[in-house]
Formats: sequence, structure tokens, C-alpha cells
Amino acid sequence: QVQLVESGGGVVQPGKSLRLSCTASGFTLNNYPIHWVRQSAGRGLEWVAVISYDGSSDYNAGSVKGRFSVSRDTSRNTVHLQMSGLRPDDTAVYYCARLVGTPHYIDVWGKGTTVTVSS
Amino acid sequence: FEMTQPPAVSVSPGQTATITCSGEKLGDKYVCWYQQKPGQSPVLVIHQDYKRPSGIPERFSGSFSGNTATLTISETQALDEADYYCQAWDNNAAVFGGGTKLTVL
Repeated sequence: QVQLVESGGGVVQPGKSLRLSCTASGFTLNNYPIHWVRQSAGRGLEWVAVISYDGSSDYNAGSVKGRFSVSRDTSRNTVHLQMSGLRPDDTAVYYCARLVGTPHYIDVWGKGTTVTVSS
Repeated sequence: FEMTQPPAVSVSPGQTATITCSGEKLGDKYVCWYQQKPGQSPVLVIHQDYKRPSGIPERFSGSFSGNTATLTISETQALDEADYYCQAWDNNAAVFGGGTKLTVL
């Protein structure tokens, strides 16, 4: 069964760092671009970042630029979202999602991991 | 680049629900639709404007006119009650509409 699993969420103080991980089952993560999308409680979906299938390129939303970075560990078939300088408005459920197709679309989402930024 | 959806749509069971998504130059882009039920991850219901992934009932259909994409759910059932999001691409970034809460009364 094709699945994505996020981990690494938790409660963190403002200004601190946290690293989220995204792993896959049922397919090889290294073959696909992976997006991160977040959702604050009661709010809509907000795109955060994307990394290419080979890790050669990545892009971030303006709201996280300079604070968040996305990377791949191809040996572990894992994608990471490194978050630094966390702010209370970064509090959200963070999903990783697989990009497929031409034209592109996201076909599989993880269940999400919750990040709470609070003092 | 922004996309606008109505915050809420209500429909009676068995009737047809329509959810719109509009945006400047949206007609130049492909649109996907996602269904999200409370406490769950989004699920793709339409991609490339009108294509339905396997496992999605034929009751779900997508269409496009000008700069407005439409998700239509025919013979709406109680289990279709959810939030629905349209999504398009702005270069490498995914842009989501604000979401529409579909209530099946």
C-alpha cells in the first residue's frame, strides 16, 4: 500500500528549531518530488516547500524563506523539512505529499505531524 | 496568484452540489480538487481539470469555463460532507483556494 509517514513534530519554543521527516512505504521516495503543505487549526492548506526527486533543486514559500529548508537523504529514502526560527504562526499540521504525473498533481498525502510553537 | 472559493455550500441529499474556484489567469492552468474530512488528510478527487483518480466515484466531476473551475458532485451523499480545496500551480509552488465547506443537509 502506498503511504507517506511524517514524524518529528512536537512542541517547541519560539525561535527554536525542529526537523520533520517524511518516509514512504509501498514505493521508492527517491523517485518523486515531495511537497510539504501545512494546515493551521481550522484553516486552509498552505504550501510550504518542494524538493525535486533527486534533491538537486528545492523551493520554499515566501512565508518560510530563509527559515525552512528541505533536503533528501537518498540512502535512507527520507525527505526532511528543517525548520528554524520558529514562530507561533508556524503552528500547524505538516503534511508531506507526493507529486506525480504530467501535468503534475499531488496524489498521496501523509497523515501529518503536528508542530506547536509556544512558550 | 490567488484562487477564490465560496466558504460554504449546502446541498440536500441526492441533489447536485457545485463548488467553484476562480482566479485571474486560472484558465491558463490545470486545476486539481481535494476532499478533506475532519481529522483526515486531503484526498485527490479530480486532477487535470476533469480527470478522476481510480477509486473516486463517477459522481465527482470537474469542468472549466474561462477563469473558473467547477467541482460538481451529483447525487450527493452524506459521506460527501467535507471541505473541498482547489489547487493550481504557480511555477513550482502549489496554490490552494481557501476551501469550501460542503454541508449535506
